[in-house]
Amino acid sequence: EPEVTQTPSHQVTQMGQEVILRCVPISNHLYFYWYRQILGQKVEFLVSFYNNEISEKSEIFDDQFSVERPDGSNFTLKIRSTKLEDSAMYFCASSAGIAEQYFGPGTRLTVT
Amino acid sequence: LAKTTQPISMDSYEGQEVNITCSHNNIATNDYITWYQQFPSQGPRFIIQGYKTKVTNEVASLFIPADRKSSTLSLPRVSLSDTAVYYCLGRSGSARQLTFGSGTQLTVLP
Repeated sequence: EPEVTQTPSHQVTQMGQEVILRCVPISNHLYFYWYRQILGQKVEFLVSFYNNEISEKSEIFDDQFSVERPDGSNFTLKIRSTKLEDSAMYFCASSAGIAEQYFGPGTRLTVT
Repeated sequence: LAKTTQPISMDSYEGQEVNITCSHNNIATNDYITWYQQFPSQGPRFIIQGYKTKVTNEVASLFIPADRKSSTLSLPRVSLSDTAVYYCLGRSGSARQLTFGSGTQLTVLP
């Protein structure tokens, strides 16, 4: 069964550093998403991406965040200058249409 | 869902039917309501999706009344492996933003 993959599984970084989280969506999917989940809290939407551009974003997704699909397979989330409050699990998801989303295993980001 | 309410937790015994309700009084009028299951340290996993009335698949049923202000996920004959957090997901507010509910921790007891 095809699946969404994410790397790395765990990223530790110092406050102020840039991080790039990587995702490989399911190959025939057209919609891509990033979510985050702070420890013990619910999953929160960050951004969706379709047709090589952001289709929607939440208020969490400020100028410190960016997404890119640099080639035909990867989908990345960049945080330019990390803050302590960016520590969370980051999930990538993809979907063929606008409904059922397939989530990756997540990247745990720890900002120290 | 901007003003969503899910029970924080529920306990059940193996073999019982479990119903989890999500109240969403500000849902967008023309979008699906989707339910996901999440195990610790894993990404959410799709369970079922619907727009109105009743939808059933091999693992669950979803009931959505005509006013769409709530939805109820029904899990028939739960087992220990169904212990997880269950989230509803929909679009809400003027921006119709994707929003997860607060989540319900279901614990299935032997």
